[in-house]
Amino acid sequence: DQQVKQNSPSLSVQEGRISILNCDYTNSMFDYFLWYKKYPAEGPTFLISISSIKDKNEDGRFTVFLNKSAKHLSLHIVPSQPGDSAVYFCAASDSRANAGKSTFGDGTTLTVKP
Amino acid sequence: KAGVTQTPRYLIKTRGQQVTLSCSPISGHRSVSWYQQTPGQGLQFLFEYFSETQRNKGNFPGRFSGRQFSNSRSEMNVSTLELGDSALYLCASSLAGREYQPQHFGDGTRLSIL
Repeated sequence: DQQVKQNSPSLSVQEGRISILNCDYTNSMFDYFLWYKKYPAEGPTFLISISSIKDKNEDGRFTVFLNKSAKHLSLHIVPSQPGDSAVYFCAASDSRANAGKSTFGDGTTLTVKP
Repeated sequence: KAGVTQTPRYLIKTRGQQVTLSCSPISGHRSVSWYQQTPGQGLQFLFEYFSETQRNKGNFPGRFSGRQFSNSRSEMNVSTLELGDSALYLCASSLAGREYQPQHFGDGTRLSIL
């Protein structure tokens, strides 16, 4: 049973446009959600997170939206840049029971074309 | 500030052997978690150590074990290696304070089983 799902394995957008990456989860106990970016031959790099008490968190070009009723979150990148091309992982954590454990989706490969 | 350091970066073993991977967390981080990533898959949680104690464990066989030392450095051991153990093994550390903190990853150890 995959508790965190990223249904789009890949996404291609034009430079300057918006990139929207989606993620769904099933476990109601998750209270923190994170996005990581991963380049080849490197470990995942933390990008942005959101607590379940919020529905939006913004950091520069990156905004994460959380819809708890739909158990859905999304990452918006505006404007997209070629350097944003990477694999993006959605992750979720139940901080009260398993703070050191994150459950990851399978990732979405974003390609930003110049 | 130095990041999470994993050694070695690459390792080739044969079936039946055992292997030990090492992880040095970010200075001050007390929680260390291990993940396995296989091609096309997300990160699968192995276990987490905090203050030299295993605090969380994923669904992996007993061949996978770990430990944490008093300086928070951690090792992961896999015994009786199988072909399916070929993967990227990632270590992540976090502050594990009162408030939830995201995990920071090393660049991983690429393990190949022949």
